[in-house]
Amino acid sequence: DQQVKQNSPSLSVQEGRISILNCDYTNSMFDYFLWYKKYPAEGPTFLISISSIKDKNEDGRFTVFLNKSAKHLSLHIVPSQPGDSAVYFCAASLTGNQFYFGTGTSLTVIP
Amino acid sequence: GAVVSQHPSWVICKSGTSVKIECRSLDFQATTMFWYRQFPKQSLMLMATSNEGSKATYEQGVEKDKFLINHASLTLSTLTVTSAHPEDSSFYICSARRLAEAYEQYFGPGTRLTVT
Repeated sequence: DQQVKQNSPSLSVQEGRISILNCDYTNSMFDYFLWYKKYPAEGPTFLISISSIKDKNEDGRFTVFLNKSAKHLSLHIVPSQPGDSAVYFCAASLTGNQFYFGTGTSLTVIP
Repeated sequence: GAVVSQHPSWVICKSGTSVKIECRSLDFQATTMFWYRQFPKQSLMLMATSNEGSKATYEQGVEKDKFLINHASLTLSTLTVTSAHPEDSSFYICSARRLAEAYEQYFGPGTRLTVT
């Protein structure tokens, strides 16, 4: 049972434009959400997170939006850069003891 | 800071043998370590959570007698795949969490296991 879903396996964006990666979840008890960036044959690298009590968190070019009523979160990258090309995973946590990951979205930023 | 290493990075073993994978937090003490498994084009699946000095907590469907986890110190956790079979071939990734942080976890580079 996939509790966290990323329905877009891939996304291509022109350099300088905005990248929007989406994530949906089913469990309303999740209290923390994280985005990770991953290169092939490497472990994920933490990117940005948001608590369930907030609806937006911003860190430089990266902003995460949380819509609890829709059980949806999104990661915005603006402006997108070629170095942002990677697989992005969203993850949801239950009290920090269990983590559920989506299947990932492969982002390609075209120079 | 917050560097996590894994050893080996890749391993090939014969069916029926056991393989040990080490996960080390290099510059911090990890009270909790997580072990994940990733199949091609699929998400990371949490296998187990281990706290230093206590038994690991396994997720539903993960055989604890097959995937032995030891968290003997605040900087080292090991995963031993016992009597490995070809279906155990996968990418195994560990992560570690610092005492002061409730949610952030720092991932190792992963270990590619191939069982022939």
